[in-house]
Amino acid sequence: GESVGLHLPTLSVQEGDNSIINCAYSNSASDYFIWYKQESGKGPQFIIDIRSNMDKRQGQRVTVLLNKTVKHLSLQIAATQPGDSAVYFCAENVRGADGLTFGKGTHLIIQP
Amino acid sequence: DAGVIQSPRHEVTEMGQEVTLRCKPISGHDYLFWYRQTMMRGLELLIYFNNNVPIDDSGMPEDRFSAKMPNASFSTLKIQPSEPRDSAVYFCASSFQGTANSPLHFGNGTRLTVT
Repeated sequence: GESVGLHLPTLSVQEGDNSIINCAYSNSASDYFIWYKQESGKGPQFIIDIRSNMDKRQGQRVTVLLNKTVKHLSLQIAATQPGDSAVYFCAENVRGADGLTFGKGTHLIIQP
Repeated sequence: DAGVIQSPRHEVTEMGQEVTLRCKPISGHDYLFWYRQTMMRGLELLIYFNNNVPIDDSGMPEDRFSAKMPNASFSTLKIQPSEPRDSAVYFCASSFQGTANSPLHFGNGTRLTVT
């Protein structure tokens, strides 16, 4: 039979607006978190990371927030541009282990 | 830096054939990971190496899959025999000092289609 694919959550924002992409993680032993951007036909590209001893980290136009109490991670992109259109994944690394576990992804669409 | 290099970019083969995917990690990175991406299951870790030694292959789906890393600059993922359900995009990634301390850097993947 025909397989059913994942329906990625989609976030549509106007060019120039700020966007917030959310991610829930399940393992309380995770201590390192990373956001990746994946464009069509390419591999995931590193955006920003954060360790569990921090709750906020800023990069160029991006900010990652970590709330360990509710196991929630978010990525804020300021002044979105057409080139920001992509699928965004959060990834976590469990303390003492190697190998990132990836979330299902969010499709960000920038409207002109 | 050339980044992680994978070949081929696309592979189309018939069920039952052997498929070999290739990867060159970033120079100086001592960890190498193989992931598979499908619409159904997202990104899944198959196996990873540290200093050319396989550390965890618990994600390898079955005995038809095997991976080797004969030296620090080359790894292969082999599927023999291939089946239609193996159709996916296979990514190789490398990192410096492991993912507890540094992010993964991905190649652009090999899109495998098994008919």
